Amino acid sequence: GAVVSQHPSRVICKSGTSVKIECRSLDFQATTMFWYRQFPKKSLMLMATSNEGSKATYEQGVEKDKFLINHASLTLSTLTVTSAHPEDSSFYICSAIPQGGNQPQHFGDGTRLSIL
Amino acid sequence: DQQVKQNSPSLSVQEGRISILNCDYTNSMFDYFLWYKKYPAEGPTFLISISSIKDKNEDGRFTVFLNKSAKHLSLHIVPSQPGDSAVYFCAASARSGGSNYKLTFGKGTLLTVNP
Repeated sequence: GAVVSQHPSRVICKSGTSVKIECRSLDFQATTMFWYRQFPKKSLMLMATSNEGSKATYEQGVEKDKFLINHASLTLSTLTVTSAHPEDSSFYICSAIPQGGNQPQHFGDGTRLSIL
Repeated sequence: DQQVKQNSPSLSVQEGRISILNCDYTNSMFDYFLWYKKYPAEGPTFLISISSIKDKNEDGRFTVFLNKSAKHLSLHIVPSQPGDSAVYFCAASARSGGSNYKLTFGKGTLLTVNP
């Protein structure tokens, strides 16, 4: 149980393109989902907390207009990297907490984004 | 500033022996700690957790020890198996502080268990 699906797993696109990444909880409902970014040999860095039906909460230093987050249902959150540039190339990964709380975060398999 | 530190980037252990992965933290507000395991091209998988009210939690071959005074925790795997070879992330959160489920991760330790 507690499966999180992230799509796509890999994206290669030109500079200036906007890229949407989906995060779905397949067998549970998640009021809260999280978006992380990981650079090579670095730890997972929390970008934002996504709450169903309300605005996402962004961590300090993360541009909310650059990284648009939508959490329209209890099973889906999306991250859109707008007008992506090479410095946005990274590994993006989402996680979700089953409703009811007091459970660990369950992670998707991540999206490798490469901007040319 | 790294609030969660895993100072050993890698660890190599013989099959059947004990693997000990270490983690240190600096934020005294952290009260819940987790270990995740990650294989290449997959997301982290939850392994085991411990609340700050405990000093030990055991689940099968995996035991996590917490030393609050030293702000140190460790994950023991015994006996180690080749399938345990993966990157292990230590994570912490400050649940009672209102930040609820936000996790702060260490950089990870690559464990290699040799047959």
